Amino acid sequence: DIQMAQSPSSLSASVGDRVTISCRASRTIRTNVNWYRQKAGKAPELLIFAASTVQRGVSSRFSGGGYGTEFTLNISSLQPEDYATYYCQQTHMRPSTFGLGTRVEIK
Amino acid sequence: EEQLAESGGGLAQPGGSLRLSCVGSGFTFRNFEMNWIRQAPGKGLQWVSYISSSSSMIYYAESVKGRFTTSRDNDRNSLNLYMTGLHDDDTATYFCTRVVRGVTQANALDLWGQGTMVIVSS
Repeated sequence: DIQMAQSPSSLSASVGDRVTISCRASRTIRTNVNWYRQKAGKAPELLIFAASTVQRGVSSRFSGGGYGTEFTLNISSLQPEDYATYYCQQTHMRPSTFGLGTRVEIK
Repeated sequence: EEQLAESGGGLAQPGGSLRLSCVGSGFTFRNFEMNWIRQAPGKGLQWVSYISSSSSMIYYAESVKGRFTTSRDNDRNSLNLYMTGLHDDDTATYFCTRVVRGVTQANALDLWGQGTMVIVSS
């Protein structure tokens, strides 16, 4: 299975801060990575599709990049609703696998 | 509004069985591939099963293969997960999810249900 090493596991940031979360795949996955936000007690929601495509209806403060094995999710200006856990997911090879998550907390 | 709604979760004994259901609304259910994703309490996300739009292809995670069966009824807009031989580590919230595909190999889970909790305990 392809492993997705996500970092950091948690971070503290203030409203308005720029935040970057990384994911490293154990083998090349081209751009077959997605990013999700999961608010406490809720289902995950798709933010970024195919490494860099912002999902319809998602704020433009979210952006994604990378290719091969290294990927990033950027939040340009953290908002109160962004305090949540973020997951990367690879869909390059079955079984699809997720990173362990990054918890974004209030500083 | 596009929605997925799971039901059927609850308490089951080790070795027991449970059937989960998911109903889609607000979109043409039969046109979409679907997945089950689960999340153990306080843990991350794990893919469980995939079913193609016509049910011609069905895949399972190794940890549930031979114990779980996924099916769908496109006339009823429903997705089902029949779980047998339940283990303690099957305890999780189970999410029904819809697959969206891009022009290349890319795909993602663009619609999620609220989840249904399964607890396996004696």
